[in-house]
Amino acid sequence: TQLLEQSPQFLSIQEGENLTVYCNSSSVFSSLQWYRQEPGEGPVLLVTVVTGGEVKKLKRLTFQFGDARKDSSLHITAAQPGDTGLYLCAGDNYGQNFVFGPGTRLSVLP
Amino acid sequence: KAGVTQTPRYLIKTRGQQVTLSCSPISGHRSVSWYQQTPGQGLQFLFEYFSETQRNKGNFPGRFSGRQFSNSRSEMNVSTLELGDSALYLCASSLAGGARYNEQFFGPGTRLTVL
Repeated sequence: TQLLEQSPQFLSIQEGENLTVYCNSSSVFSSLQWYRQEPGEGPVLLVTVVTGGEVKKLKRLTFQFGDARKDSSLHITAAQPGDTGLYLCAGDNYGQNFVFGPGTRLSVLP
Repeated sequence: KAGVTQTPRYLIKTRGQQVTLSCSPISGHRSVSWYQQTPGQGLQFLFEYFSETQRNKGNFPGRFSGRQFSNSRSEMNVSTLELGDSALYLCASSLAGGARYNEQFFGPGTRLTVL
């Protein structure tokens, strides 16, 4: 059974701070997605990383896919209250299915 | 391009009733997956439909069923509702083939409350 773990589970920080959240697995994925979800809404796709070692930047968010395509990280620079939400990672098992992590709940205080 | 739509957005039912939820995928997407999300269990996979056939199934009882139509629209049905079925039900669509990599796009969800 493929599993994705995310850490930390909860994170509460002040506006302007930097943070990193992690997504780890013992399985290899063909690609990995990061989503942000706000209460009562569906997850919104932020990025897809495909190549081992790949780094993608989306404004203040930097996503990295591990060399072995088993793990990923999301780094947020100068966090803002608008970054608050549940961050989910999902691994694509070569088109067979998607595996979701439990999420990191981020709260950015003004 | 319009996103994934789900109807209704909110539902209140009583125990023992049944419910049908609807999902319209992004135009051109052939795969539709359904998930149940609760605070305690997180996002749990229900099933996936591709070209009107169930391709994958999660670990849910037979009370949960679904189908997909020829236009890729999908419905999910829950019979004999239980209190524990209260959750946010999410639908996600993907191209499933013909692309370098696969991505899922989610709808806004249907919030089901069972009283």
